[in-house]
Amino acid sequence: AQKITQTQPGMFVQEKEAVTLDCTYDTSDQSYGLFWYKQPSSGEMIFLIYQGSYDEQNATEGRYSLNFQKARKSANLVISASQLGDSAMYFCAMREGLYNQGGKLIFGQGTELSVKP
Amino acid sequence: DTEVTQTPKHLVMGMTNKKSLKCEQHMGHRAMYWYKQKAKKPPELMFVYSYEKLSINESVPSRFSPECPNSSLLNLHLHALQPEDSALYLCASSQERNRFPLYSYEQYFGPGTRLTVT
Repeated sequence: AQKITQTQPGMFVQEKEAVTLDCTYDTSDQSYGLFWYKQPSSGEMIFLIYQGSYDEQNATEGRYSLNFQKARKSANLVISASQLGDSAMYFCAMREGLYNQGGKLIFGQGTELSVKP
Repeated sequence: DTEVTQTPKHLVMGMTNKKSLKCEQHMGHRAMYWYKQKAKKPPELMFVYSYEKLSINESVPSRFSPECPNSSLLNLHLHALQPEDSALYLCASSQERNRFPLYSYEQYFGPGTRLTVT
């Protein structure tokens, strides 16, 4: 069965420092996508970054990068140069299925990140 | 434009009321989703519409009734809710066409409706 595990319920980071949020996943499918979302206290889920299971390069989007280690089934999010606005809940998610339209996203429990000035 | 809108932002309803939540997107996305989210928890999938047809119902109680009148609109009709149904209800959409693999499509979320059942 598919499962996403985020083992850090809460984390603190100093402004301008880098932080890594952990995510491990379990799936028997060879074809899947991994996503990270940010949810500020306002509630909206904001898509940050995507990594496909066959992608050989780690994904990067601005200050966000995804450290993808397929053999270890991990997809950690790295935020460089943290800003106060990065304080939020972060969810790792996975979707399987090459051809499943409207496929399910499986979410981890989330990590609450607090950036200190 | 990557916007999903939801109305209302907040809703308070009694257990005997009937109300509806509305979600709209104009990105040409062909899959739309309803999620329920409790505080400090991940979103839980409720329903998925793919090309205006209900494709996934995650065993949601019948007091929640989804409707997809057209490819841009998604409604969630609420009737005889319980206090434990109080939550943030999120709508999302994804494109689901023109590119494979389909698992690569990100979902775009609306701001949500905060529902309180009294």
